[in-house]
Amino acid sequence: SQTIHQWPATLVQPVGSPLSLECTVEGTSNPNLYWYRQAAGRGLQLLFYSVGIGQISSEVPQNLSASRPQDRQFILSSKKLLLSDSGFYLCAWSVRQSDTQYFGPGTRLTVL
Amino acid sequence: AQTVTQSQPEMSVQEAETVTLSCTYDTSENNYYLFWYKQPPSRQMILVIRQEAYKQQNATENRFSVNFQKAAKSFSLKISDSQLGDTAMYFCAFIEYGNKLVFGAGTILRVKS
Repeated sequence: SQTIHQWPATLVQPVGSPLSLECTVEGTSNPNLYWYRQAAGRGLQLLFYSVGIGQISSEVPQNLSASRPQDRQFILSSKKLLLSDSGFYLCAWSVRQSDTQYFGPGTRLTVL
Repeated sequence: AQTVTQSQPEMSVQEAETVTLSCTYDTSENNYYLFWYKQPPSRQMILVIRQEAYKQQNATENRFSVNFQKAAKSFSLKISDSQLGDTAMYFCAFIEYGNKLVFGAGTILRVKS
């Protein structure tokens, strides 16, 4: 069966520091991968998605970036965090682009 | 533009009773998928149920069932025999072919003992 992991689970970072969040999927090949952000008590905002290694599409212009160095690894990064980057970050995967998405456990990021 | 509307910000239900969460959506496409996701206090998004738009039969997963009205663009979730563990935020979502998953704003459901 397929599983999706995210780490770290919780992160507290100062403003201006770098960020690296990692997501990995097991049990499937060439998944579509997604990064979402969720502010407290609100819906999900799609940040990036990837249909293959090295292929990244950005949905929201901001100081975040994403990379996919391996087939089942998706990384969310920032060179300098802003206060507004605080939130809950969810990674998801799907078999095809227009198919069911399965979510990881999420990372709670607090920027102080 | 694709939109999903959940008109009930919060709902409460007594344990063992039935509750229905509402969802409407807007699309000009004929082929798409609809979903209900559950987000408990742990905040992990868990797939509850999925419906293919080309299927007329309503999807069912144990105590969870949907009422899919394609012409009305309505997709409600019925939870039978509510349990305390059903307390969560519920998101309605849909995706068109070649497009992105669109979420509603969510409905907070509280199951009371």
